[in-house]
Amino acid sequence: NAGVIQTPRHKVTGKGQEATLWCEPISGHSAVFWYRQTIVQGLEFLTYFRNQAPIDDSGMPKERFSAQMPNQSHSTLKIQSTQPQDSAVYLCASSRDWGGYEQYFGPGTRLTVL
Amino acid sequence: DAKTTQPDSMESTEGETVHLPCSHATISGNEYIYWYRQVPLQGPEYVTHGLQQNTTNSMAFLAIASDRKSSTLILPHVSLRDAAVYHCILRVSQGGSAKLIFGEGTKLTVSS
Repeated sequence: NAGVIQTPRHKVTGKGQEATLWCEPISGHSAVFWYRQTIVQGLEFLTYFRNQAPIDDSGMPKERFSAQMPNQSHSTLKIQSTQPQDSAVYLCASSRDWGGYEQYFGPGTRLTVL
Repeated sequence: DAKTTQPDSMESTEGETVHLPCSHATISGNEYIYWYRQVPLQGPEYVTHGLQQNTTNSMAFLAIASDRKSSTLILPHVSLRDAAVYHCILRVSQGGSAKLIFGEGTKLTVSS
């Protein structure tokens, strides 16, 4: 079991460019979560999917951020027109189901917006 | 979800048994107590969770007060690899949001 896979591990973009982050959940897990971590804000929930359907996106910024899960083997987080304040570590996690099961986190993607 | 209170930091020495406290005075009856830990440059790692009874696994022992208003994560014989930020999180198992709400946690330092 390779665990949750996130690619790329590091991404540098220029201000105004688009960034797409990828997450491959653990095989058989039906829930996928996205979080963002910065020194100032700490670790914040963004959104999550259950059986590929979006369930809760209450943490997603209203503009420029979108997430999809086109199939059970991967999810993407897309940031349009990146801004310096988007610089953060973006973490993906998966769990067997949405309820009381533990979440397994990937290593994260460090996004730097210049 | 109810909030938790943890000390900002704790120090220990290799081989010691460490007790990490967590206060959750407003915990609801259907809220589980979860513990995660995180080391720099890695995502959080699940440690353990419980509802009412004490629980134990290969990583830690979770002691839950009888009134559930506090809990203690007990790490036996810590090593340098146990140095991390430990997060105590309350989460409704069923019927509530599955998201984890992280606070600042307790930074555990382990010296040799």
